[in-house]
Amino acid sequence: QVQLQQWGAGLLKPSETLSLTCTVYGGSFTGYYWTWIRLPPGKGLEWIGEINHSGSTNYNPSLKNRATILIDTSKKQFSLKLTSVTAADTAVYYCGRPYGSGTYQWFDLWGQGTLVTVSS
Amino acid sequence: QSVLTQPPSVSGAPGQRVTISCTGSNSNIGAGYDVHWYQQLPGTAPKLLIYGNSNRPSGVPDQFSGSKSGTSASLAITALQAEDEAVYYCQSYDISLSGSVFGGGTRLTVL
Repeated sequence: QVQLQQWGAGLLKPSETLSLTCTVYGGSFTGYYWTWIRLPPGKGLEWIGEINHSGSTNYNPSLKNRATILIDTSKKQFSLKLTSVTAADTAVYYCGRPYGSGTYQWFDLWGQGTLVTVSS
Repeated sequence: QSVLTQPPSVSGAPGQRVTISCTGSNSNIGAGYDVHWYQQLPGTAPKLLIYGNSNRPSGVPDQFSGSKSGTSASLAITALQAEDEAVYYCQSYDISLSGSVFGGGTRLTVL
């Protein structure tokens, strides 16, 4: 049974860099676009970006080049870095695995979520 | 502001049927991209409920059904039970974003 386990700092000050890592336990690591999604309080889910095993990435333009997703295939891990955080980046962050690819994909596997709060 | 528009809340009595709408545009649902639905219970990650507009993953009861038409999609929940209280999200692909887009979520209250 495939599981995603994520971790990272939960409290940041404005202008700091958010850093989260997700480890894949069981199953194949290749053939998927591993994804980060967040849920700000009182708002809807927001797709942050994705990376495949070759390191090819796609990002949500709304993050204005602040997000970087990296992958370590030897450890079956992928990570998210978000620079210059503000209170607007406060959210529960999820790592996820989509079934399918490209324009035809849905998320059938999610990490447990990490609450990241940005406050001075 | 989410790319896909959902009503903030819906409610129904036990045993009743409710529907949740998801409205997009010609760059996502209207462009022919499929819609998927998730259920999020308090303190948990979203759970896939419907994929490909109307398909249920194994283990999801047939009280949940989905449909799509034009630039909108709907999730129907029949025979409401207290345990169906949750927030429901729709998801599709957006060609302008070149990525997934979600709705703002709809909180279902079972009266």
